[in-house]
Order: sequence, then structure tokens, then C-alpha cells
Amino acid sequence: GAGVSQSPRYKVTKRGQDVALRCDPISGHVSLYWYRQALGQGPEFLTYFNYEAQQDKSGLPNDRFSAERPEGSISTLTIQRTEQRDSAMYRCASTRDSNTEAFFGQGTRLTVV
Amino acid sequence: AQTVTQSQPEMSVQEAETVTLSCTYDTSESDYYLFWYKQPPSRQMILVIRQEAYKQQNATENRFSVNFQKAAKSFSLKISDSQLGDAAMYFCAYRSAAGRRALTFGSGTRLQVQP
Repeated sequence: GAGVSQSPRYKVTKRGQDVALRCDPISGHVSLYWYRQALGQGPEFLTYFNYEAQQDKSGLPNDRFSAERPEGSISTLTIQRTEQRDSAMYRCASTRDSNTEAFFGQGTRLTVV
Repeated sequence: AQTVTQSQPEMSVQEAETVTLSCTYDTSESDYYLFWYKQPPSRQMILVIRQEAYKQQNATENRFSVNFQKAAKSFSLKISDSQLGDAAMYFCAYRSAAGRRALTFGSGTRLQVQP
């Protein structure tokens, strides 16, 4: 696609529910990154993929968070048993290769009530 | 681990004037990249300017330029001839040239532009 697309743009969920956030990177981009941004803060790294391989998941806060990119394109970030502290903007970015600039999607604003 | 510090939570500038946003970082690496991103009210993340650490020349993009001081680990952004559309959050970011390529961001500086 022309840009990085994330869906949904907004998600309100009840505490305890599972949510799945989707990222569709720019076509042909090798690397895909997930970040979380709290209000008034900079984005924080969660995990990243090269093609379909998850290279680093050290930023995932706990085992309720997981991500996949099964065919090396679209990625899904899943949060199980959501908690209020999970409320944030979740951002996806992709890069053509490991040395080029990151293009960010519009983000998914998650609110856990 | 690398850290990025932006010590100015808010800055204000008059339209057409010049403003400088500060950023310092900490790293033991010799090869890396530094970035400034703009986040307008739409909350999109827009790359403003990029600097490779091995380049001594400061990067420039139209009205935006940086002052990169590698020894001091300082990377400030200068905006000349400020425009109302420059009002946004600005984030400084660091990325290793090897290993993990994820961005490490500072906490941001909110820039207000006064007409």
C-alpha cells in the first residue's frame, strides 16, 4: 500500500477481553516494528520482525502481549486479558531494510475500561 | 542500553523567528543514527531530519537543521522562520547501526508557535 495502515484506529474494550491490533506495512518493506506510546511520552519499543521472523521481543511488557507476522507482511499484536494500564496508542512502523527510515502508521488508540 | 533525553517539555516561538530544541543521548556505540520526528495534533509521526553519526556535516532540510556534537552526545534541532504549521510535539530518537534497529525516543518537546 501507499503507507503503513493500522486498524482499528480506535478500540475501546472491557477489562479482561482480548484485543488484536493489525498493521499492514508498506508493500515490500522487510522490517516491521511495534511501539507503544503513552500520553505525553515518546513511543517505546515492543517488538520487531524481519520478514516473518520475530527478531526481538524484549520490549513486550509481559506474556499477555504477543505478536506475529506469519507471511512476512501483515502483523498482528495481540493483548490477552486486557488491563487498564494497557491503554495507550499502539504504533506500527515499517522499513524497507534495516538501514532505511521508518514509516509510521496512524496508530491504534486502545482504551481499556 | 541507549537513552535519549529531551530536557525541554515545552517551548514557544514567535512566527518567523528561530527556535532550537535540545536533545542529548547516551550510548557506548560509535556508529548510529539520530532523528527528529514531528507529531502534530493528528498524532501522525513524521520524519523531520536524519543524521548519520559518521558524518561530521550537520544535516539540513529546508528550514530545519541540526547541530550534532558527537563528543558531547548532543543533537539539537533548529527551526528557522517558524510557521504556525510547525506547532507540534517533537521527538528526538536514536537508532543503532548494528544489532537491534528499533528507535529509542526521548520524551518529547511541545512547540507552540505564536502568531
